[in-house]
Amino acid sequence: KQEVTQIPAALSVPEGENLVLNCSFTDSAIYNLQWFRQDPGKGLTSLLLIQSSQREQTSGRLNASLDKSSGRSTLYIAASQPGDSATYLCAVPSGGYNKLIFGAGTRLAVHP
Amino acid sequence: GAVVSQHPSWVICKSGTSVKIECRSLDFQATTMFWYRQFPKQSLMLMATSNEGSKATYEQGVEKDKFLINHASLTLSTLTVTSAHPEDSSFYICSAGLAAIHSGGDEQYFGPGTRLTVT
Repeated sequence: KQEVTQIPAALSVPEGENLVLNCSFTDSAIYNLQWFRQDPGKGLTSLLLIQSSQREQTSGRLNASLDKSSGRSTLYIAASQPGDSATYLCAVPSGGYNKLIFGAGTRLAVHP
Repeated sequence: GAVVSQHPSWVICKSGTSVKIECRSLDFQATTMFWYRQFPKQSLMLMATSNEGSKATYEQGVEKDKFLINHASLTLSTLTVTSAHPEDSSFYICSAGLAAIHSGGDEQYFGPGTRLTVT
């Protein structure tokens, strides 16, 4: 059974810091891994999707890496801003129909 | 592109009544739609997977007679919470994708969620 773990559960940093959010999964036989952002009371916004054949993906100040063999992914946020404050979730597909298994998320607060 | 809508965005109902939540893919056809539930400060838990024209597949522990799912077309899936009780109060989120079994590599697109409060 696939399990996804995210560390840390919460993070509070001053503006401008570079951050690393961690995601680990127990079954390395995945097709891809996605990182999402969720604002309070809102739905999910897809940030990055890394295919199993890729090592990393970049979008603006975000960089996500994937190491399938070790069952780990990291989301790197450069030069954090208060607008980055949100919960960040990672998810991997599992079983038929690519249903997603989510981690519990990292709640990020970036203060001015 | 790839926009998914949900209606209503929030609903308050009395205990014992039924509530229907709609999930629509606005600019693409989704062969598969997923329904998730999220309790406060917790992650998303998959409730069921629905495919157009067939019965939904429910996750273990989810009552199929309580959470009725209808995937009537390639752009619409509905979740009906029957005889709702306060413990059903939650944030319900749907997603739509072009996923097929073992296809891999497809993104899921999420709706904005529906906040259900049962009094």
